[in-house]
Amino acid sequence: SAVISQKPSRDICQRGTSLTIQCQVDSQVTMMFWYRQQPGQSLTLIATANQGSEATYESGFVIDKFPISRPNLTFSTLTVSNMSPEDSSIYLCSVDARFRTGAGYGYTFGSGTRLTVV
Amino acid sequence: SQQGEEDPQALSIQEGENATMNCSYKTSINNLQWYRQNSGRGLVHLILIRSNEREKHSGRLRVTLDTSKKSSSLLITASRAADTASYFCATTGGSQGNLIFGKGTKLSVKP
Repeated sequence: SAVISQKPSRDICQRGTSLTIQCQVDSQVTMMFWYRQQPGQSLTLIATANQGSEATYESGFVIDKFPISRPNLTFSTLTVSNMSPEDSSIYLCSVDARFRTGAGYGYTFGSGTRLTVV
Repeated sequence: SQQGEEDPQALSIQEGENATMNCSYKTSINNLQWYRQNSGRGLVHLILIRSNEREKHSGRLRVTLDTSKKSSSLLITASRAADTASYFCATTGGSQGNLIFGKGTKLSVKP
């Protein structure tokens, strides 16, 4: 199965600044997904990143606020720009690794970035 | 947007007891998956059940699927303190091939 290294694991940032989150996958994958999880809530898709093309954003998320890079098939970054306290959330990357186990295949997730904006 | 609802939102049990969590979804599916999240960290895939399956087991986990009711349940038998986590159901219903998650159940297992 794919393994994702996500950095940083947590950060406390001042409002108005930006934070870039990195995800490195140990194998080549076509699509990478970025999710936001607000405190006590479920996961919401921010955007899907394909190598060599613009990311596809979900309703309510815009490129100016959440620019994404996908320079190759193993790496992606998500930047949270001009942060406000409302951006305090856990941000996760994920790939459809389609690994097979006895329990069926699934998606692989990074360990998450816990962002607090003060 | 969330695929559906999970209940209960929170569940507190004693070690050794069974824990049952339910999930409902809105659209037709190819499969339904369950994930665990420890302390707001990354998600770990637990089990997948296909739309033509009614029940599936993996260790202490038992998942059922009722496509006529658009619902699924996750049973954890003989729970342990280490099972304390949030549990989410998810379907591959997103337009980008992404997962769509339920709201989750926060399970607390007391030793």
